[in-house]
Amino acid sequence: NAGVTQTPKFRILKIGQSMTLQCTQDMNHNYMYWYRQDPGMGLKLIYYSVGAGITDKGEVPNGYNVSRSTTEDFPLRLELAAPSQTSVYFCASSSLGQGANEQFFGPGTRLTVL
Amino acid sequence: AQSVTQLGSHVSVSEGALVLLRCNYSSSVPPYLFWYVQYPNQGLQLLLKYTTGATLVKGINGFEAEFKKSETSFHLTKPSAHMSDAAEYFCAVSGPTGNQFYFGTGTSLTVIP
Repeated sequence: NAGVTQTPKFRILKIGQSMTLQCTQDMNHNYMYWYRQDPGMGLKLIYYSVGAGITDKGEVPNGYNVSRSTTEDFPLRLELAAPSQTSVYFCASSSLGQGANEQFFGPGTRLTVL
Repeated sequence: AQSVTQLGSHVSVSEGALVLLRCNYSSSVPPYLFWYVQYPNQGLQLLLKYTTGATLVKGINGFEAEFKKSETSFHLTKPSAHMSDAAEYFCAVSGPTGNQFYFGTGTSLTVIP
């Protein structure tokens, strides 16, 4: 099993450009999450999904959009990139949303907005 | 509301010395608690977790953590540090519904040879 995969690994955007960060998991997990990691700030939840067709906002959703058309995929969309969105983005999944279940993380996407 | 505080953003220990990484949480409900490790340029990997039952939890790579409800703490320890333990460590808390994890700001562990 590949687990959670993310593409691309690195990306540089200009202000105002848009892009989609891809996330795929092959563990048949219902729950998927997007986090951003800023230096010294830990991980902040952007959006999460409890299943195909269902998404909800996390702590820091502004400037992002998500969709969940299949169980496997959970893409994150940046419509108008801003320097404040420079960060490392992690996708994660878990088998159930109940708090006892661990989240499995992808390797991350390092995004720079100039 | 739930939150996590990790005391000490950077911790240095000598190889073979005790590792102690501190984590305190606040939660209005019985929490589930986690420690994750992040090696450079990688995603997070679960070290151990506390859900219910025994308050001393053993994880991978010789790490363990003890849930102390009275102190609202979940400190991570390892008796003898190894060079390969150098990494970033994150404490996280989740409530029963589990839709959201709350992560601490992380502690960077350096192991000195």
